[in-house]
Amino acid sequence: DSGVTQTPKHLITATGQRVTLRCSPRSGDLSVYWYQQSLDQGLQFLIQYYNGEERAKGNILERFSAQQFPDLHSELNLSSLELGDSALYFCASSVGLRSSSGNTIYFGEGSWLTVV
Amino acid sequence: GQNIDQPTEMTATEGAIVQINCTYQTSGFNGLFWYQQHAGEAPTFLSYNVLDGLEEKGRFSSFLSRSKGYSYLLLKELQMKDSASYLCARRTGANNLFFGTGTRLTVIP
Repeated sequence: DSGVTQTPKHLITATGQRVTLRCSPRSGDLSVYWYQQSLDQGLQFLIQYYNGEERAKGNILERFSAQQFPDLHSELNLSSLELGDSALYFCASSVGLRSSSGNTIYFGEGSWLTVV
Repeated sequence: GQNIDQPTEMTATEGAIVQINCTYQTSGFNGLFWYQQHAGEAPTFLSYNVLDGLEEKGRFSSFLSRSKGYSYLLLKELQMKDSASYLCARRTGANNLFFGTGTRLTVIP
């Protein structure tokens, strides 16, 4: 158990709908990351937050958005869903921003999204 | 994925040693991570290299050559449970990780 908690674990929804994925980072971690992993694909970095502020963006679609709240939990909002959005969405967290040797990124168990 | 290359699949025998190679883009480099991922599960941290050389952790070791943009993960005394994908990831200055597509290792009896 990494200490990163994600809900829901599984979600099935129809095309065109909107869903929200939730993440609670490890206790004490200020940075939260979202990654997407499609079937047989590598992990694609979507977005990073640090202490409530967006810090970096990766391959995140405009239909997707995220935020980190004052209690440090984060939500990833996926709208106008398409079949190709079906994937495993991982949240990860780390202590901070600086690339020190101890700043390992730990992953949650993921949220399986199936769009039908 | 940030020009990270690793073999797609490898097969090795139980009890043997296997080396999984990874090459990466050297610009903006701030460390090289290896993760293990079983199908449908979360990636779990294996090792981290930021300086050249070998880091050993039990049956797993990881090597880095910064000048060559090259790393490898060495797995010794392979066990059936080591069948998984092994992900090489390059860290940026902002502590983001960019992953390769992973190497799917199959351990056979």
